[in-house]
Parts: sequence; structure tokens; C-alpha cells
Amino acid sequence: AQTVTQSQPEMSVQEAETVTLSCTYDTSESDYYLFWYKQPPSRQMILVIRQEAYKQQNATENRFSVNFQKAAKSFSLKISDSQLGDAAMYFCAYRSPSTGTASKLTFGTGTRLQVTL
Amino acid sequence: DTAVSQTPKYLVTQMGNDKSIKCEQNLGHDTMYWYKQDSKKFLKIMFSYNNKELIINETVPNRFSPKSPDKAHLNLHINSLELGDSAVYFCASSQGNGAETQYFGPGTRLLVL
Repeated sequence: AQTVTQSQPEMSVQEAETVTLSCTYDTSESDYYLFWYKQPPSRQMILVIRQEAYKQQNATENRFSVNFQKAAKSFSLKISDSQLGDAAMYFCAYRSPSTGTASKLTFGTGTRLQVTL
Repeated sequence: DTAVSQTPKYLVTQMGNDKSIKCEQNLGHDTMYWYKQDSKKFLKIMFSYNNKELIINETVPNRFSPKSPDKAHLNLHINSLELGDSAVYFCASSQGNGAETQYFGPGTRLLVL
């Protein structure tokens, strides 16, 4: 079974600075999908970024980018020019490309990000 | 024009009661999911339906019964509520049941007293 590990329960960053959130995963599959979701205090789960394992290029969405290291099974999220609105829980998630029972998302335990002035 | 909506947003009830949470998506997606987020914020899949057919049923007590009247709706009925059922329940949907991105509803916070 796949597992996702987020080793940083909490992180803090100053406004306008850059922060990196770590995520590692365990899988025997060669093709899969990885996601970062953000959960602000409103509880809404918001997709931040998505990476297909077959793509060598790291995904980027505005101030958010990932460092995907397939051999190391690492998928870190970099937030540049941090803003107060970035304060939230961040969840890393894994999904098999298979259909049926494998289509579920497996989540890490989350990293709480604080943004300070 | 909310994409995935859940009702109610908050639910406070006594142990032993039966309650339902409703989920609707207007994205035209084929697959819907229920996830449970416990007090430590850990999210875990409970059920998934594809075109009204159950495709994922994790180890969940049979007091939990999902029902999908059509592919735009997936409701969760819980019988004989227990203290441990207190959690936030998220509905989600995706285009298919492959690797498509899942979109989440706002969550329903259930508190069992």
C-alpha cells in the first residue's frame, strides 16, 4: 500500500520569504500522480498543484512550485513570496493512475504553515 | 455556482441518533467520494461511487451507508452515532475514477455528544 509522509508538523515563514514543505512517499508503481492541497481555517480543501510522475518537468503554479525527485520518492512544495493568505494546513497526496479501488487519494498528515509579518 | 456542495455545514447530535449528510456536484463528474478528517487532521477515504456504482468501500463500520441516487449526488447516512464519529466529513468528485483531480466540498463538521 502507498504511504505518504510529511515530516514537518509545523513550519513558519516571514511574509515575502520562501518556504519549502517536504513530502516523501512509498510506492512500487512507476506511474502515479501527486498533489498538494491547502486547507485554510475555513476548512475548504483547495488544490494547489499537481504533478504527473511521467513528467520530468516540475509543475509550477504562480508562486507555487514543486521539486519532484522520482528516484528519491520526494515531492516538496516551494512557496515563493509568501503572503498572509498562504497560512494554512498543507497536505501532500498520492494517487495511483489505476481506476477502481486504486482511485482514492492517500494523504500525508499535513504541515501547518504560519506566515508572520 | 458552487462546484461541490455539502449540507449541513455543521451537525451537532446525541449519541445513538441517525443523521445524514448530503453532497451534490454540478461539475458533470462521474465519480464521487467521501473522506473523513479526524481530530488530528488526518484525511482518509471512506467510499467512492462511479456512475452510481460503489467502487471503494474502505474498512468503515456498516453503520455508515452511502447512497447515490444519481451521479450528481452522494449522500452519507450514519446510524447509531458514536462519540468517535465526531469529525469533518468531506465530499469530493472527479471526472472519472482514474487520475483526474478531485475537487472537494466545504466539509461537514459532525459533533456527537
